[in-house]
Amino acid sequence: QVQLVQSGPEVKKPGASVKVSCKASGYTFTSHGFSWVRQAPGQGLEWMGYIGVYNGNTMYAPKFQDKVTLTTDTSTTTAYMEMRGLTSDDTAVYYCARWWHGGDYWGQGTLVTVSS
Amino acid sequence: DIQMTQSPSSLSASVGDRVTITCRASQTITTYLNWYQQKPGKAPKLLIYAASSLLSEVPSRFSGSGSGTDFTLTISSLQPEDFATYYCQQSFTSPYTFGQGTKLEI
Repeated sequence: QVQLVQSGPEVKKPGASVKVSCKASGYTFTSHGFSWVRQAPGQGLEWMGYIGVYNGNTMYAPKFQDKVTLTTDTSTTTAYMEMRGLTSDDTAVYYCARWWHGGDYWGQGTLVTVSS
Repeated sequence: DIQMTQSPSSLSASVGDRVTITCRASQTITTYLNWYQQKPGKAPKLLIYAASSLLSEVPSRFSGSGSGTDFTLTISSLQPEDFATYYCQQSFTSPYTFGQGTKLEI
């Protein structure tokens, strides 16, 4: 069965970077891309960007264009989201989602806390 | 960016009720509209894609309709497990924006 397993919670200081992983299994990794979505505490869902695994094409929401890098590693069937210049506003749960028309399978979420 | 506006923001209902949630896009998105259900502490779950296509494992009491800028999610007979927050999302053009959510409460 399809599974997306994300890396564990992170605590970072302002200005630091974080890299969240999303290990995929149960399907052909190159057949679907990934979207990344975040959710601040008590808030709604915010789409951050998308990466196509087959061709590496990326799309980013404008506010994340210069802050986030999405990558994949086909040898380990893992997707990554790296965010730089963290501020307290980046405290949120970060989700990866396999993209098929919409996000049809999701990781469990990774809590990133930014605090001095 | 395309703005997605859901109404209502919250809704009180009872088991067995018929419920409709509306999502409006700030410009046409044809039928590139997805609906998700999210329960507290859990990842969202895709219910409907392309405005009206139900995922195979989703109960048939859920249905979606609409095209262009106006869309609806209908739950024909609420079950206890349906109390959750629902989000629409457009996938017509990047960024794939979400609505603000509709919290469905008892």
